[in-house]
Amino acid sequence: EIVLTQSPGTLSLSPGERATLSCRASQSVSNSYLAWYQQKPGQAPSLLIYGASSRATGIPDRFSGSGSGTDFTLTINRLEPEDFAVYYCQQYGTSPPRTFGQGTKVEIK
Amino acid sequence: EVQLLESGGGLVQPGGSLRLSCAASGFTFSSYAMSWVRQAPGKGLEWVSAISGHGVSTYYADSVKGRFTISRDYSNSTLYLQMNSLRAEDTAVYYCAKYYGGNSPKYYFDQWGQGTLVTVSS
Repeated sequence: EIVLTQSPGTLSLSPGERATLSCRASQSVSNSYLAWYQQKPGQAPSLLIYGASSRATGIPDRFSGSGSGTDFTLTINRLEPEDFAVYYCQQYGTSPPRTFGQGTKVEIK
Repeated sequence: EVQLLESGGGLVQPGGSLRLSCAASGFTFSSYAMSWVRQAPGKGLEWVSAISGHGVSTYYADSVKGRFTISRDYSNSTLYLQMNSLRAEDTAVYYCAKYYGGNSPKYYFDQWGQGTLVTVSS
């Protein structure tokens, strides 16, 4: 089973700053089959990025994903107040996809 | 518009049973694999179970295998999770989620329900 490790656990930033979140896999993720989800307090997760770098419908372009193999990054440029949330990565190179990262919380500094 | 509406959560004693439902609308239910994902209070996401679009193939996390059963009813576009022999560690919000891509549960989740809380306690 592929283990996903996200870092840092918590990121304290101010609105307007850039957030860089990491997701590292214990083995190579085939076809860059990695997704990112955003979860706001009291809400369900929602899809942000799939295929490591493709934005889901309606996601603003300040969100971008990159990476391949075992190292993936979610970047949020110019943080907006609504971006402060918890972010999870998930690999779907194995069927069914079973593993999520433990999450990174982006909080207001 | 895709909608997933969970119900059936509540308080149950250890060893008890509960059946969760997820009413789906806004897409062709039989064409997509579905899943249950849970989140314990203050914790991260844990994949629980999945079922193929045609319902023939089912999958379970080791933590629930032999205790939980996933199923789906095409006549009313509803996904179910039958939970037996419940334990305190099963306490969580349970989300219903739709897989992108069709019959096989091999991609990411493109839609999520709002969740239903299950509390296992005496």
